[in-house]
Amino acid sequence: AQSVTQLDSHVSVSEGTPVLLRCNYSSSYSPSLFWYVQHPNKGLQLLLKYTSAATLVKGINGFEAEFKKSETSFHLTKPSAHMSDAAEYFCVVSGYGNKLVFGAGTILRVKS
Amino acid sequence: NAGVTQTPKFQVLKTGQSMTLQCAQDMNHEYMSWYRQDPGMGLRLIHYSVGAGITDQGEVPNGYNVSRSTTEDFPLRLLSAAPSQTSVYFCASSYRAGDTDTQYFGPGTRLTVL
Repeated sequence: AQSVTQLDSHVSVSEGTPVLLRCNYSSSYSPSLFWYVQHPNKGLQLLLKYTSAATLVKGINGFEAEFKKSETSFHLTKPSAHMSDAAEYFCVVSGYGNKLVFGAGTILRVKS
Repeated sequence: NAGVTQTPKFQVLKTGQSMTLQCAQDMNHEYMSWYRQDPGMGLRLIHYSVGAGITDQGEVPNGYNVSRSTTEDFPLRLLSAAPSQTSVYFCASSYRAGDTDTQYFGPGTRLTVL
């Protein structure tokens, strides 16, 4: 069975400083991993996905994530936060038959 | 392409009432699914379908029914609404059921059961 743990329920950064959202996963086989973003009262948008190709994955809006099998981690980073990045972020693992297992979410706050 | 559409956007029901949440996609995707989102719990899979005429249960199927008579549509039925079904419901679709296939989400339906 797959599971996902997002290590921080809330993260607060200042505009222009780096963002780090942490995610650990558990999977019985080589997983596909995703990060989705949800802005307030909106649907979910795919930021990036890992599917066993390059371990460093680049996504939209300057976000990237690194797959580390030895640490079972898939942390999301961005060098410089923007006010528009304030949202909730979900780390997701895909199971057999494309059943998605979501983490509990991390709310990112960006201070001006 | 409109992508994944959901209706209604908001709904208030009384306990015991029934209703259908509509979901449609115009991308010719084989795979469709329903999730519910509750605070602090992420999204949880209710039901899914790998093609017309084929449906199966997800993690939290109790109290919900689905059918898939066409590729485009995947309605979710609440037969007798309960307050525990107050949630935000998201429909998603992907080209196939492979674990690398990206799922695209609709805008959601916010349901309140009194």
